[in-house]
Amino acid sequence: NAGVMQNPRHLVRRRGQEARLRCSPMKGHSHVYWYRQLPEEGLKFMVYLQKENIIDESGMPKERFSAEFPKEGPSILRIQQVVRGDSAAYFCASSLDWNTEAFFGQGTRLTVV
Amino acid sequence: KQEVTQIPAALSVPEGENLVLNCSFTDSAIYNLQWFRQDPGKGLTSLLLIQSSQREQTSGRLNASLDKSSGRSTLYIAASQPGDSATYLCAVRVIQGAQKLVFGQGTRLTINP
Repeated sequence: NAGVMQNPRHLVRRRGQEARLRCSPMKGHSHVYWYRQLPEEGLKFMVYLQKENIIDESGMPKERFSAEFPKEGPSILRIQQVVRGDSAAYFCASSLDWNTEAFFGQGTRLTVV
Repeated sequence: KQEVTQIPAALSVPEGENLVLNCSFTDSAIYNLQWFRQDPGKGLTSLLLIQSSQREQTSGRLNASLDKSSGRSTLYIAASQPGDSATYLCAVRVIQGAQKLVFGQGTRLTINP
């Protein structure tokens, strides 16, 4: 059973471009979470999704950021018109249910130049 | 709003020592608490999950305890090894706010050979 898979591992974008981050949860997991980690800072919650539903997006900026978890395929975190401040590591986690162990991917390190 | 604090922020001990990492949280309304380790530039590895009804969990040289009423958890590492060097994070799964994980800032642990 493969773990949580995130790709790409590293992503470089110029200011104003779009960044698209993918997360495939562990097999059988229908709960997905996205977190952002800035250098030397803790993990900040962004969004919690179940299949085809956004459960909690209270940590996600209102503009430029969106997330989805379609019925088929990976969860996608999309950042439009990236700015330098978006440079960070973005981590995805999945769990079988809302109160079970969460497993994290290796992260996508986004650099905006 | 749930806040999670980890003390100390950094710890350096010689190899072979037993050590304790602390985690405190402000709201006892949690489903569970999870300890992770993060190596530099890597993702998070789940170490232990304690449900709110449990007092402790053990895995190898690791033992985690939970005192929900006082808002505290400890991670005990026995016979520390250089390979234990990493940042240790605790996270609580909150009852309020769609069961997301709220993280502490972490304790950066260095085990000196």
